[in-house]
Amino acid sequence: EDQVTQSPEALRLQEGESSSLNCSYTVSGLRGLFWYRQDPGKGPEFLFTLYSAGEEKEKERLKATLTKKESFLHITAPKPEDSATYLCAVRDSLRAGNQFYFGTGTSLTVIP
Amino acid sequence: EPEVTQTPSHQVTQMGQEVILRCVPISNHLYFYWYRQILGQKVEFLVSFYNNEISEKSEIFDDQFSVERPDGSNFTLKIRSTKLEDSAMYFCASRGETQYFGPGTRLLVL
Repeated sequence: EDQVTQSPEALRLQEGESSSLNCSYTVSGLRGLFWYRQDPGKGPEFLFTLYSAGEEKEKERLKATLTKKESFLHITAPKPEDSATYLCAVRDSLRAGNQFYFGTGTSLTVIP
Repeated sequence: EPEVTQTPSHQVTQMGQEVILRCVPISNHLYFYWYRQILGQKVEFLVSFYNNEISEKSEIFDDQFSVERPDGSNFTLKIRSTKLEDSAMYFCASRGETQYFGPGTRLLVL
């Protein structure tokens, strides 16, 4: 059973064209939703943690928001260096504590 | 800035051979993890380790896998008899308040 679903699978944007990535999750009790950026051949790089519905976090051109069923990663005026795969992960408080469940990611390409 | 390090960056081995992947977690972190990512697929949880013992493991983490923290700094993943399907990127991660990943070891089993 998929706990984390990300959409779209791939997204191509023109430089400066803002958009949003979606992460839908199904867990019994959310113990944190995490956004990571992954460049090809590299390990995931931590971006944000969100814990409760209504919470928002921002970093440069990225803003993450959380509802009870999904999270959005908004990218404002993206640049080519924002091209990467963006991963969402959750921790489920009612499963054995420490496991992080990852989605398959959204591959973002920003065209100059 | 503290970071998780992993060695080797690449490992090529013959099917049936044993491999040991090494990680140095962030020094004040208490939780350690191994994940794998088969090319083009999602990051998959293998095992978590806390207080010198496994705290959780996935169905992937069968008897051919083992983890160890042999000293105060290293955290290792051993694959006893590698199979072709073990070819993947293996990521170590450590967690304080946030989980940070290492750069990965690319394992190729021939």
